[in-house]
Amino acid sequence: GALVYQYPRRTICKSGTSMRMECQAVGFQATSVAWYRQSPQKTFELIALSTVNSAIKYEQNFTQEKFPISHPNLSFSSMTVLNAYLEDRGLYLCGATGDAETLYFGSGTRLTVL
Amino acid sequence: GDSVTQTEGPVTLSEGTSLTVNCSYETKQYPTLFWYVQYPGEGPQLLFKVPKANEKGSNRGFEATYNKEATSFHLQKASVQESDSAVYYCALSDWSNNRIFFGDGTQLVVKP
Repeated sequence: GALVYQYPRRTICKSGTSMRMECQAVGFQATSVAWYRQSPQKTFELIALSTVNSAIKYEQNFTQEKFPISHPNLSFSSMTVLNAYLEDRGLYLCGATGDAETLYFGSGTRLTVL
Repeated sequence: GDSVTQTEGPVTLSEGTSLTVNCSYETKQYPTLFWYVQYPGEGPQLLFKVPKANEKGSNRGFEATYNKEATSFHLQKASVQESDSAVYYCALSDWSNNRIFFGDGTQLVVKP
């Protein structure tokens, strides 16, 4: 079956520092990877969608300068949160698809900023 | 634009009772519709998907019918269990715009 591993599960960083999270697809080719942030109210904010061999598309309010994403092959993607501050706290989710239809999610990376 | 609206939670039920979580959507496309479930501390898991209108999807006793005329995709289960306690998300795919649209989620609490 299609599985997505995301790590770390939890991370704590000091305000103004950066942290990187990674996403690995197993059992399928992740042609597209979507990165989301989930609010405490459980709603999803799409940060960006990365498709292999295409430009990464960022949603409004999110930029490459703040959330650089790498998607070098069909099984791996990473996202960094640069200069993290309190408002960046939350659960970050990666969802990968191989059929441009169904997203399979990792367990998420919970970011705490001190 | 595309949107998904679902029952506002929390929904609290006793074990053995029936569940309906309403989901309505707006789109100009012909989307695939999804239900995802998220347990505490985990990412969303696909419960099932339905790509075509008038078809039904089901998994683990949950089911929903893709009603194109009513633009609805209501989630139902005849008899809920305590282990069904989770947040349920209705979603539609619009890959012409390179995204999946999620509803705001409905928290289900099932009491023994």
